[in-house]
Amino acid sequence: AQSVTQLGSHVSVSEGALVLLRCNYSSSVPPYLFWYVQYPNQGLQLLLKYTSAATLVKGINGFEAEFKKSETSFHLTKPSAHMSDAAEYFCAVSGGAGNMLTFGGGTRLMVKP
Amino acid sequence: DAMVIQNPRYQVTQFGKPVTLSCSQTLNHNVMYWYQQKSSQAPKLLFHYYDKDFNNEADTPDNFQSRRPNTSFCFLDIRSPGLGDAAMYLCATSRPPPGTAYEQYFGPGTRLTVT
Repeated sequence: AQSVTQLGSHVSVSEGALVLLRCNYSSSVPPYLFWYVQYPNQGLQLLLKYTSAATLVKGINGFEAEFKKSETSFHLTKPSAHMSDAAEYFCAVSGGAGNMLTFGGGTRLMVKP
Repeated sequence: DAMVIQNPRYQVTQFGKPVTLSCSQTLNHNVMYWYQQKSSQAPKLLFHYYDKDFNNEADTPDNFQSRRPNTSFCFLDIRSPGLGDAAMYLCATSRPPPGTAYEQYFGPGTRLTVT
């Protein structure tokens, strides 16, 4: 069984500040991990993915995430927030049969000017 | 560009009136998924097709049906929509391993309103 916990349903940062969105996972098999972003009234767009290669993964729009097996974490970071980063972010884990994704509850990122 | 397309983007239907949502893909992926997403919640998987094999999630209501006439197209039928079925419906595709790393590619969604 797999599960994902995103700490903080809402995160607010100032423009230019560090963005840190937290994700912890549970998986009985070596996981594949993903971060997706969703803008209002849009589908989900893949930001980055971890596939058991490098533990530090770089994605689009300046985001990156680090896989830490000992902490079962896959936190998403960006050094400097832009107004355009305001969106909902979902962490997800896969690895079971059928290629299913298990999503976390999501974190809404708000960026203040 | 290869993509997942959903039509219409916004759909209004009446309580109890059947409605069909469409999804097409140019990625030639074997697997297609339908998710329901309510406000401020994560997407909830309704069912998926692995090629022609249909897989229903245990808690998907019987009111929801799906058809996949060919690799490119998949439809979501809601036989008698209730007010609680108002949501965003997301279609996604993936190619099982070996190949991509289990990622799913999402369409833009159809927002369903039930009046």
